[in-house]
Amino acid sequence: EIVLTQSPGTLSLSPGERATLSCRASQSVSSRYLAWSQQKPGQAPRLLIHGASSRATGIPDRFSGSGSGTDFTLTISRLEPEDFAVYYCQHYGNSPHTFGQGTKLEIK
Amino acid sequence: EVQLLESGGGLVQPGGSLRLSCAASGFSFSSYAMSWVRQAPGKGLEWVSGISGNGGSTYYADSVKGRCTISRDNSKNTVYLQVNSLRAEDTAVYYCARAAVVYGSGNFYNPFDYWGQGTLVTVSS
Repeated sequence: EIVLTQSPGTLSLSPGERATLSCRASQSVSSRYLAWSQQKPGQAPRLLIHGASSRATGIPDRFSGSGSGTDFTLTISRLEPEDFAVYYCQHYGNSPHTFGQGTKLEIK
Repeated sequence: EVQLLESGGGLVQPGGSLRLSCAASGFSFSSYAMSWVRQAPGKGLEWVSGISGNGGSTYYADSVKGRCTISRDNSKNTVYLQVNSLRAEDTAVYYCARAAVVYGSGNFYNPFDYWGQGTLVTVSS
């Protein structure tokens, strides 16, 4: 099973700032199978990035993903008020699919 | 418009059973693998089970293996999760999620591009 570890647990930033979220896999994975999702309170998750760097349909270009091997990054270039949420990385190349524990992005 | 509507959650006693349903609309259902993902109160996401588009392949997390059965009826555009021998730690919102067609139609190994709003399962005496 691929274990995903996200850091930091909580990130406190202000609107307009740049956010960098990390996801580390317990072993090397194909970037083809790494996704990022956003979840707001009381809502279902929303797919942001798949294949480590491909934005899902309708996702603004301030969201970008990068990485390979064991280290992946989600970057939000300039935070908007609606971006404050919990972010999860996910690996879907094996069974079981696995999620990181999440990074909470909060307003400073 | 893609829609996924879960139902079947509720309060159940430890040791009991539930069958969750997820009714899909707005897309060619049999072309997509589907999964169930759960979220315990205040916790993160946990993948539970998945099924390929034609129903020929099923997958389970170790935490539910032997207690859960996933199935689908492509004529009814519905995926099901039967959960038996329920435990307190199964208490969660259960979401169904569609696997996108990025790496092959009906393939389980795809990202989740649409999610339902979830159904709450509470296991308590």
